Amino acid sequence: DVKVTQSSRYLVKRTGEKVFLECVQDMDHENMFWYRQDPGLGLRLIYFSYDVKMKEKGDIPEGYSVSREKKERFSLILESASTNQTSMYLCASSFVGGQGAGYTFGSGTRLTVV
Amino acid sequence: DAKTTQPTSMDCAEGRAANLPCNHSTISGNEYVYWYRQIHSQGPQYIIHGLKNNETNEMASLIITEDRKSSTLILPHATLRDTAVYYCIVRGYNAGNMLTFGGGTRLMVKP
Repeated sequence: DVKVTQSSRYLVKRTGEKVFLECVQDMDHENMFWYRQDPGLGLRLIYFSYDVKMKEKGDIPEGYSVSREKKERFSLILESASTNQTSMYLCASSFVGGQGAGYTFGSGTRLTVV
Repeated sequence: DAKTTQPTSMDCAEGRAANLPCNHSTISGNEYVYWYRQIHSQGPQYIIHGLKNNETNEMASLIITEDRKSSTLILPHATLRDTAVYYCIVRGYNAGNMLTFGGGTRLMVKP
């Protein structure tokens, strides 16, 4: 079964901590994405990457950075976590152009910043 | 990407067909209609997509009107596990086209 794996299902971090959210896909997809999902706001795109070492800002990149050193891995970094970054974080991947099934999503990481 | 309009919520009796409508009147010729669903506390799951012909897979059927301005996702025999938020998304097939999720339809399947 092809999959996108997010390293943690639940995380609790303190304000000011540096937080790493890891995502790994086994489908040899070129594109990888990070979304956050909040009640009433839906899914919002934070960053995406269409190749190794390449990244593009999404709709809400402030307070976040990303790293893609290998094709299968895309990391989301919260440089200094704040309480307004408490959210569900979803990673996804796709082929270039999104052929076929489009995106495959991970199960999500629910991050709480206290 | 074209904007879509979906009802906020719908109910369906278990075992009956669930028909979820979506309007996308500004769809352009190279844009596909995608359907995803999100079961509570999980990531969105791909269901089906199409361009202009009706499509069917093991999960659902997709009916697209001839003018392509609307579509209907059909779950032929809804079960309680089909309770989820269903997203209709219109998207081009070019690199860089992002999936933009709207509010979706919250489908409640009832016993």
